[in-house]
Parts: sequence; structure tokens; C-alpha cells
Amino acid sequence: GQQVMQIPQYQHVQEGEDFTTYCNSSTTLSNIQWYKQRPGGHPVFLIQLVKSGEVKKQKRLTFQFGEAKKNSSLHITATQTTDVGTYFCAGKTSYDKVIFGPGTSLSVIP
Amino acid sequence: DAGITQSPRHKVTETGTPVTLRCHQTENHRYMYWYRQDPGHGLRLIHYSYGVKDTDKGEVSDGYSVSRSKTEDFLLTLESATSSQTSVYFCAISEGRLTQETQYFGPGTRLLVL
Repeated sequence: GQQVMQIPQYQHVQEGEDFTTYCNSSTTLSNIQWYKQRPGGHPVFLIQLVKSGEVKKQKRLTFQFGEAKKNSSLHITATQTTDVGTYFCAGKTSYDKVIFGPGTSLSVIP
Repeated sequence: DAGITQSPRHKVTETGTPVTLRCHQTENHRYMYWYRQDPGHGLRLIHYSYGVKDTDKGEVSDGYSVSRSKTEDFLLTLESATSSQTSVYFCAISEGRLTQETQYFGPGTRLLVL
């Protein structure tokens, strides 16, 4: 079946280091969404990418959608302790279904 | 937080008992969703609704039923709870005309089935 994978599953970084999580789909996606979930909290929508090759920035966060619309990445520059949490991608398939990836859990060491 | 509340926030129950979780929204959104979240699986869609009395199954619907008699309320029922249904349950709404566009999640319900 259709799958959305994320790597790495866990990432521990020193505060100030950069962080990247990758999202890969087995099928072409119509769009991809990214969510952040703080420990003990609920997922919060960050951004949606629609176009092939699209790049969007939110302060220290950079989101990319691959040319083939099968992969995406989230890059955080100079991590801060407020970045701690799990980052989920969610890909929308051609069958109009959204499939969430398993998430990447980020911890930041002060 | 898009005016979404869930009740109860925590529940402990025994195997075989019925359980109903409630999701309430205040902003008249058409689409509402129930997800479960388990370690290593991300969020998995149980059921969703696209209007009053209009519902459809998600990828993990077995053992669950839903009802939506009013726009603002979406109920998830476990007819006979099992230990495999121990999970965190999130309700969500989405804006826009299409299903599962930008979604806003409720605070979640932690359910433990003993």
C-alpha cells in the first residue's frame, strides 16, 4: 500500500546545530503538509507545499518539496530548545487521502 | 486552537466496556476527523465526517463507530473496548473544500484499556 516514511526516527542535537528531517513517499503526492507536536501536546500545522520543487521558509525553518513530488524535507537552522518535539509530514495522495509519516523526534541539548 | 475541545481528556476503562469520546468545535467547519496516535505509527485516520450524518471510514476503522448529529459534535464510540485500542485519540477539523486540507487538532484523549 501507499506509505510515507520519515528519517531519522530520532535526532539529538546540541543547541545551535542544524537539523534536517526527510520525508519519502512511495507514490506521487498532490501536496505535503508538515506538523509539529510538542511533548504531551497535539500536532500543530506548520506549512503546506503544493508545487514541484517548492521551497518555503518560516524564520529558521526551510521546507522543500521534491521535483518528483515524492519527497520533502524540513531543515532547521541553529536549533533552539523551543524546537524540541516531533515533526510529522503528511502527504496527500492522488486518491485524495492524507497519509502521515511516523515522525522525527528532535531533542535539543542546551 | 480552532475552538476544538475533546472530552474526556483521560479515561481508564476495562476490556469489553463501551466507550464514547466527544469532539466539539465552535467554528462550523464541515470536515471533522478522528485519529489515533501510537508510537512508531504517527497518526492514523479512524473515521471522518463531511457533514451532519455524513461519515466515512479511514484506514483503521475496525472496532470503531462514529456519529455526527450536529455540525459541532463528532462522537467516536468503541463498542467493546480492547487493549489494542489503548492509544491517544485526536480529533481534528479542516478548513477548505477538500478533505484533509490544513488540519487543526484538538488536545487529545488518552485512553487506557485494561
